[in-house]
Amino acid sequence: RKEVEQDPGPFNVPEGATVAFNCTYSNSASQSFFWYRQDCRKEPKLLMSVYSSGNEDGRFTAQLNRASQYISLLIRDSKLSDSATYLCVVNTGGSYIPTFGRGTSLIVHP
Amino acid sequence: DGGITQSPKYLFRKEGQNVTLSCEQNLNHDAMYWYRQDPGQGLRLIYYSQIVNDFQKGDIAEGYSVSREKKESFPLTVTSAQKNPTAFYLCASRSQATNEKLFFGSGTQLSVL
Repeated sequence: RKEVEQDPGPFNVPEGATVAFNCTYSNSASQSFFWYRQDCRKEPKLLMSVYSSGNEDGRFTAQLNRASQYISLLIRDSKLSDSATYLCVVNTGGSYIPTFGRGTSLIVHP
Repeated sequence: DGGITQSPKYLFRKEGQNVTLSCEQNLNHDAMYWYRQDPGQGLRLIYYSQIVNDFQKGDIAEGYSVSREKKESFPLTVTSAQKNPTAFYLCASRSQATNEKLFFGSGTQLSVL
Protein backbone atom coordinates (compact mmCIF):
# COMPACT_ATOMS: atom_id res chain seq x y z
CA ARG A 1 0.00 0.00 0.00
CA LYS A 2 1.34 3.43 -0.93
CA GLU A 3 1.99 5.83 1.94
CA VAL A 4 -0.16 8.58 0.50
CA GLU A 5 -2.90 7.81 -2.00
CA GLN A 6 -5.05 10.04 -4.15
CA ASP A 7 -7.53 9.36 -6.91
CA PRO A 8 -5.76 10.74 -10.01
CA GLY A 9 -9.07 11.69 -11.68
CA PRO A 10 -9.60 13.69 -13.75
CA PHE A 11 -12.56 15.25 -12.04
CA ASN A 12 -14.49 17.05 -14.77
CA VAL A 13 -16.97 19.57 -13.32
CA PRO A 14 -18.94 22.57 -14.60
CA GLU A 15 -18.31 26.08 -13.33
CA GLY A 16 -20.07 26.72 -10.07
CA ALA A 17 -19.99 23.10 -8.95
CA THR A 18 -18.75 21.88 -5.60
CA VAL A 19 -16.06 19.21 -5.76
CA ALA A 20 -14.24 17.26 -3.06
CA PHE A 21 -11.01 15.28 -3.09
CA ASN A 22 -9.75 12.83 -0.53
CA CYS A 23 -6.23 11.75 0.31
CA THR A 24 -5.48 8.74 2.51
CA TYR A 25 -2.25 8.17 4.40
CA SER A 26 -0.95 4.97 5.91
CA ASN A 27 1.36 6.15 8.70
CA SER A 28 -0.50 6.94 11.88
CA ALA A 29 2.53 8.93 13.11
CA SER A 30 1.91 11.56 10.41
CA GLN A 31 1.91 15.00 11.97
CA SER A 32 1.25 17.69 9.41
CA PHE A 33 -0.68 17.85 6.20
CA PHE A 34 -0.84 20.17 3.24
CA TRP A 35 -2.65 20.67 -0.04
CA TYR A 36 -0.59 22.05 -2.93
CA ARG A 37 -1.84 23.17 -6.32
CA GLN A 38 0.24 22.48 -9.42
CA ASP A 39 -0.37 23.89 -12.88
CA CYS A 40 1.05 22.11 -15.89
CA ARG A 41 4.86 22.36 -16.02
CA LYS A 42 4.95 24.71 -13.04
CA GLU A 43 6.12 24.26 -9.48
CA PRO A 44 3.63 23.18 -6.82
CA LYS A 45 2.33 26.06 -4.73
CA LEU A 46 0.94 25.78 -1.25
CA LEU A 47 -2.84 26.02 -1.27
CA MET A 48 -3.42 25.45 2.40
CA SER A 49 -2.20 23.64 5.47
CA VAL A 50 -4.64 21.24 7.06
CA TYR A 51 -5.35 21.63 10.76
CA SER A 52 -6.93 19.14 13.11
CA SER A 53 -10.01 21.29 13.61
CA GLY A 54 -10.43 21.84 9.87
CA ASN A 55 -9.85 25.15 8.17
CA GLU A 56 -11.36 27.31 5.49
CA ASP A 57 -9.89 29.83 3.09
CA GLY A 58 -12.51 31.45 0.92
CA ARG A 59 -14.02 28.78 -1.33
CA PHE A 60 -11.62 26.12 -0.07
CA THR A 61 -12.12 23.94 3.00
CA ALA A 62 -9.67 21.36 4.27
CA GLN A 63 -10.40 18.72 6.87
CA LEU A 64 -8.44 16.05 8.68
CA ASN A 65 -9.82 12.75 9.93
CA ARG A 66 -7.13 11.12 12.05
CA ALA A 67 -9.24 8.11 12.99
CA SER A 68 -9.72 7.13 9.36
CA GLN A 69 -6.37 8.61 8.26
CA TYR A 70 -7.49 10.86 5.48
CA ILE A 71 -7.57 14.51 4.61
CA SER A 72 -10.02 16.20 2.29
CA LEU A 73 -10.24 19.32 0.17
CA LEU A 74 -13.58 20.86 -0.74
CA ILE A 75 -13.85 23.49 -3.43
CA ARG A 76 -17.10 25.44 -3.64
CA ASP A 77 -18.32 27.50 -6.59
CA SER A 78 -15.62 26.14 -8.92
CA LYS A 79 -13.96 28.59 -11.31
CA LEU A 80 -12.27 27.85 -14.62
CA SER A 81 -9.05 28.98 -12.98
CA ASP A 82 -9.30 26.16 -10.42
CA SER A 83 -8.33 23.69 -13.16
CA ALA A 84 -5.06 22.18 -11.97
CA THR A 85 -3.60 19.17 -10.20
CA TYR A 86 -4.03 19.09 -6.42
CA LEU A 87 -1.26 17.38 -4.48
CA CYS A 88 -1.61 16.02 -0.97
CA VAL A 89 1.57 16.18 1.15
CA VAL A 90 2.11 14.49 4.49
CA ASN A 91 4.93 15.02 7.00
CA THR A 92 5.64 12.20 9.40
CA GLY A 93 7.18 12.69 12.81
CA GLY A 94 10.86 11.81 12.91
CA SER A 95 11.20 11.91 9.13
CA TYR A 96 12.53 14.82 7.18
CA ILE A 97 11.02 13.56 3.98
CA PRO A 98 7.62 14.94 3.01
CA THR A 99 5.53 12.30 1.27
CA PHE A 100 3.54 13.26 -1.81
CA GLY A 101 0.42 11.80 -3.24
CA ARG A 102 0.30 11.38 -6.99
CA GLY A 103 -2.12 14.28 -7.35
CA THR A 104 -5.74 14.68 -8.41
CA SER A 105 -6.50 16.41 -11.69
CA LEU A 106 -9.41 18.87 -11.74
CA ILE A 107 -10.89 20.24 -14.94
CA VAL A 108 -13.53 22.94 -14.62
CA HIS A 109 -15.45 23.58 -17.83
CA PRO A 110 -17.84 26.38 -18.85
CA ASP B 1 12.80 38.77 -1.33
CA GLY B 2 13.65 35.33 0.01
CA GLY B 3 13.17 32.42 -2.29
CA ILE B 4 14.52 29.42 -4.10
CA THR B 5 15.94 29.72 -7.59
CA GLN B 6 16.47 27.02 -10.15
CA SER B 7 18.37 27.37 -13.39
CA PRO B 8 18.25 26.91 -16.25
CA LYS B 9 14.54 26.74 -17.03
CA TYR B 10 15.19 24.49 -20.04
CA LEU B 11 18.19 22.22 -20.59
CA PHE B 12 19.15 19.87 -23.38
CA ARG B 13 21.47 16.96 -22.96
CA LYS B 14 23.39 15.09 -25.61
CA GLU B 15 23.97 11.37 -25.46
CA GLY B 16 26.69 10.50 -22.94
CA GLN B 17 26.87 13.98 -21.49
CA ASN B 18 26.66 15.01 -17.83
CA VAL B 19 24.60 18.09 -17.06
CA THR B 20 24.17 20.04 -13.83
CA LEU B 21 21.00 21.71 -12.60
CA SER B 22 21.41 24.60 -10.21
CA CYS B 23 19.36 25.21 -7.06
CA GLU B 24 20.00 28.17 -4.73
CA GLN B 25 17.97 29.34 -1.74
CA ASN B 26 18.30 32.35 0.54
CA LEU B 27 15.69 31.22 3.05
CA ASN B 28 18.29 29.90 5.50
CA HIS B 29 16.72 26.46 5.22
CA ASP B 30 18.68 23.44 6.34
CA ALA B 31 16.83 20.82 4.32
CA MET B 32 16.87 20.69 0.53
CA TYR B 33 15.35 18.20 -1.88
CA TRP B 34 15.44 17.21 -5.54
CA TYR B 35 12.38 15.70 -7.20
CA ARG B 36 11.72 14.32 -10.65
CA GLN B 37 8.30 14.56 -12.27
CA ASP B 38 7.30 12.69 -15.42
CA PRO B 39 4.20 13.69 -17.43
CA GLY B 40 1.00 12.83 -15.58
CA GLN B 41 2.94 11.47 -12.63
CA GLY B 42 3.64 12.55 -9.08
CA LEU B 43 6.91 13.79 -7.62
CA ARG B 44 9.64 11.22 -6.97
CA LEU B 45 12.49 11.95 -4.59
CA ILE B 46 15.99 11.77 -6.07
CA TYR B 47 18.22 13.09 -3.26
CA TYR B 48 17.83 15.13 -0.12
CA SER B 49 20.11 16.92 2.28
CA GLN B 50 19.41 17.89 5.87
CA ILE B 51 22.64 19.76 6.58
CA VAL B 52 25.74 21.00 4.82
CA ASN B 53 28.15 18.29 3.66
CA ASP B 54 25.56 15.58 4.10
CA PHE B 55 23.02 14.12 1.68
CA GLN B 56 21.00 10.94 1.31
CA LYS B 57 19.64 8.96 -1.62
CA GLY B 58 15.95 9.10 -2.31
CA ASP B 59 13.83 6.59 -4.18
CA ILE B 60 15.40 7.06 -7.63
CA ALA B 61 19.02 8.16 -7.04
CA GLU B 62 20.63 5.97 -9.69
CA GLY B 63 22.21 8.02 -12.45
CA TYR B 64 22.23 11.21 -10.39
CA SER B 65 24.69 12.89 -8.04
CA VAL B 66 24.53 15.90 -5.72
CA SER B 67 26.73 18.01 -3.48
CA ARG B 68 25.98 20.28 -0.51
CA GLU B 69 29.09 22.35 0.07
CA LYS B 70 27.12 25.42 1.08
CA LYS B 71 23.83 25.77 2.91
CA GLU B 72 22.41 27.85 0.09
CA SER B 73 23.26 25.54 -2.77
CA PHE B 74 22.26 21.99 -3.74
CA PRO B 75 23.20 21.28 -7.38
CA LEU B 76 22.05 18.10 -9.11
CA THR B 77 24.13 16.39 -11.79
CA VAL B 78 22.39 14.12 -14.24
CA THR B 79 25.06 11.70 -15.34
CA SER B 80 25.37 9.68 -18.54
CA ALA B 81 24.34 6.64 -16.48
CA GLN B 82 20.79 8.03 -16.32
CA LYS B 83 19.37 6.52 -19.49
CA ASN B 84 16.00 8.23 -19.40
CA PRO B 85 16.65 11.73 -18.08
CA THR B 86 13.86 13.59 -19.87
CA ALA B 87 11.65 14.97 -17.10
CA PHE B 88 10.71 18.06 -15.11
CA TYR B 89 13.08 18.54 -12.16
CA LEU B 90 12.01 20.39 -9.04
CA CYS B 91 14.17 21.59 -6.18
CA ALA B 92 12.63 22.35 -2.80
CA SER B 93 13.72 23.50 0.62
CA ARG B 94 12.28 23.51 4.09
CA SER B 95 13.23 24.58 7.57
CA GLN B 96 14.42 21.76 9.79
CA ALA B 97 11.19 21.59 11.79
CA THR B 98 9.32 18.63 10.38
CA ASN B 99 5.96 20.33 10.36
CA GLU B 100 6.98 23.06 8.01
CA LYS B 101 5.86 23.44 4.42
CA LEU B 102 8.08 23.03 1.37
CA PHE B 103 9.19 25.91 -0.81
CA PHE B 104 9.75 25.04 -4.48
CA GLY B 105 11.88 26.44 -7.24
CA SER B 106 10.26 27.03 -10.62
CA GLY B 107 11.67 23.82 -12.11
CA THR B 108 13.98 22.76 -14.92
CA GLN B 109 12.73 20.88 -17.96
CA LEU B 110 15.48 18.53 -19.15
CA SER B 111 15.29 16.98 -22.59
CA VAL B 112 17.59 14.68 -24.52
CA LEU B 113 18.77 15.71 -27.98
